[in-house]
Amino acid sequence: KQEVTQIPAALSVPEGENLVLNCSFTDSAIYNLQWFRQDPGKGLTSLLLIQSSQREQTSGRLNASLDKSSGRSTLYIAASQPGDSATYLCAVRPGGSQGNLIFGKGTKLSVKP
Amino acid sequence: DGGITQSPKYLFRKEGQNVTLSCEQNLNHDAMYWYRQDPGQGLRLIYYSQIVNDFQKGDIAEGYSVSREKKESFPLTVTSAQKNPTAFYLCASSDDRRTNEKLFFGSGTQLSVL
Repeated sequence: KQEVTQIPAALSVPEGENLVLNCSFTDSAIYNLQWFRQDPGKGLTSLLLIQSSQREQTSGRLNASLDKSSGRSTLYIAASQPGDSATYLCAVRPGGSQGNLIFGKGTKLSVKP
Repeated sequence: DGGITQSPKYLFRKEGQNVTLSCEQNLNHDAMYWYRQDPGQGLRLIYYSQIVNDFQKGDIAEGYSVSREKKESFPLTVTSAQKNPTAFYLCASSDDRRTNEKLFFGSGTQLSVL
């Protein structure tokens, strides 16, 4: 059974710092992996989607990498800002399944001014 | 603007009552999903639909029902059989093409029991 783990559960950093959020999954047979951002009391916003054949995706100050063989993905945030404070979730779509994303519990990021 | 609209934002249920959460999208997406989010837990899939008039159970479908009569709408009913309904409910959609499966989420409905 696929399980997705995000460590740490919470992270606090000073503004301007570069940081890495981690996501690990137990079964390397995935179709794709997505990173989401969730603000308190709000829905999720998709940040980056990496197909299983890809190694990384970039959007602005965000870079997500995928190492399927080791069951890991990282989300790199450059030059963090207080506006980056949110919970970041990763989710994998198991290979061959329909509609059943498996989510991690998220990392709550706080960027202090 | 294109997007997903969930209503109401807050909903209260009395014991034994059925309540319905609304989800509407104008993104022309084929696939729609309902997730439940509890504090400290990841999202769990309740139901999903990939085409009008068809839907499939997710991991925690017991005590819930859905319909998909229109492409734009995917309402979720929380029935009295759901004994622990207090949670944050999220609706999502995607165009479900394998090359572009980004999920778009609504802003959620917080359901509480009176």
